[in-house]
Amino acid sequence: AQSVAQPEDQVNVAEGNPLTVKCTYSVSGNPYLFWYVQYPNRGLQFLLKYITGDNLVKGSYGFEAEFNKSQTSFHLKKPSALVSDSALYFCAVRDWGSDSSYKLIFGSGTRLLVRP
Amino acid sequence: DADVTQTPRNRITKTGKRIMLECSQTKGHDRMYWYRQDPGLGLRLIYYSFDVKDINKGEISDGYSVSRQAQAKFSLSLESAIPNQTALYFCATSDAGLPQETQYFGPGTRLLVL
Repeated sequence: AQSVAQPEDQVNVAEGNPLTVKCTYSVSGNPYLFWYVQYPNRGLQFLLKYITGDNLVKGSYGFEAEFNKSQTSFHLKKPSALVSDSALYFCAVRDWGSDSSYKLIFGSGTRLLVRP
Repeated sequence: DADVTQTPRNRITKTGKRIMLECSQTKGHDRMYWYRQDPGLGLRLIYYSFDVKDINKGEISDGYSVSRQAQAKFSLSLESAIPNQTALYFCATSDAGLPQETQYFGPGTRLLVL
């Protein structure tokens, strides 16, 4: 079954420290992976995506994500967290080649809290 | 994303009422989607439309209907609202069906059904 798991409901980190938000997936076809961020009272904003090629993907606001096929993971990272990074983060996967290729499958979301 | 707008932004209604949520986009995309967001559940797809004449049910379409009035407009209706339809609703758009296509989201409509 197609699924995305974000095992942490909340991640707490001090400003200036590195952050990681975890995501694992399960698909039957080729995975195309996305990260979105949701700030309070805002819609989801696209951060980055993995299609093919380099396993390290760079995105907006200094975020990057590492695709690991053997571990079926796509963790979001940032070397130095900012208080303004505090938001809700969603991982999503498109199961390309399956009957459900049209849709994005979203994880449950991880709330990131960056302490000053 | 200002290219995708939703009205109203907030709505309170009573059980049994029919309500409509509207979505407009200026991105020129053919594909449009309606999702609902519930705490701890992520986003779930209600309906999607690949063009004006192509409308499809998503995973949680019961109790909802949609209308694609034009390429730029996609409305979601709750025929008879019930309290468990209280949620945050998002409209999204995307370009033609490629694996790397990105979906762009509106700001959301917060709906409370009493």
